[in-house]
Amino acid sequence: NAGVTQTPKFQVLKTGQSMTLQCAQDMNHEYMSWYRQDPGMGLRLIHYSVGAGITDQGEVPNGYNVSRSTTEDFPLRLLSAAPSQTSVYFCASRITSRGGSNIQYFGAGTRLSVL
Amino acid sequence: GQQVMQIPQYQHVQEGEDFTTYCNSSTTLSNIQWYKQRPGGHPVFLIQLVKSGEVKKQKRLTFQFGEAKKNSSLHITATQTTDVGTYFCARRGAGSYQLTFGKGTKLSVIP
Repeated sequence: NAGVTQTPKFQVLKTGQSMTLQCAQDMNHEYMSWYRQDPGMGLRLIHYSVGAGITDQGEVPNGYNVSRSTTEDFPLRLLSAAPSQTSVYFCASRITSRGGSNIQYFGAGTRLSVL
Repeated sequence: GQQVMQIPQYQHVQEGEDFTTYCNSSTTLSNIQWYKQRPGGHPVFLIQLVKSGEVKKQKRLTFQFGEAKKNSSLHITATQTTDVGTYFCARRGAGSYQLTFGKGTKLSVIP
């Protein structure tokens, strides 16, 4: 199993550009989520999904879109990048069923700079 | 999701000294998880505590869940340079899928 795979690892954008951060997991996990990590702010939830076709907003959703067409993939889209979106982005997944281990698995992260 | 407060934000210790980080909530927690993130890495699950007063050990790491289930702690005995990183606690709200993380405690170990 590859676990949670994120691409790209690094990205530099200009203000106003759009891009998609890719996330895929091969553990058949129902729950997937995106976090951003900024110095001193911990991990803040952007969007999450409890299954294909179901998404919901987290703590800091503005400026980001998500979709979940398959169990495996959960891309994060930046529609018009802003310098405030410079951050490290982590995708994560876990089982949601009762009796599940609740362990959340993280991808290696995407380091995004918006100039 | 409801917040969990972690203290301290930073801790510098001499190698061999002990280290403790605390996680506090204003409301009762159904469970608490701990993660470790090495510098430049991603968070990795360490443990989950569920029961009131629960104590679990992993080698030099001791995890505790308070009797009132409103706080938790992670204690490292005789720190080593391999313990360097940021330690996060995380809570899952009752009836919620969201996992809310504390801001973390960044541990530096001076050799």
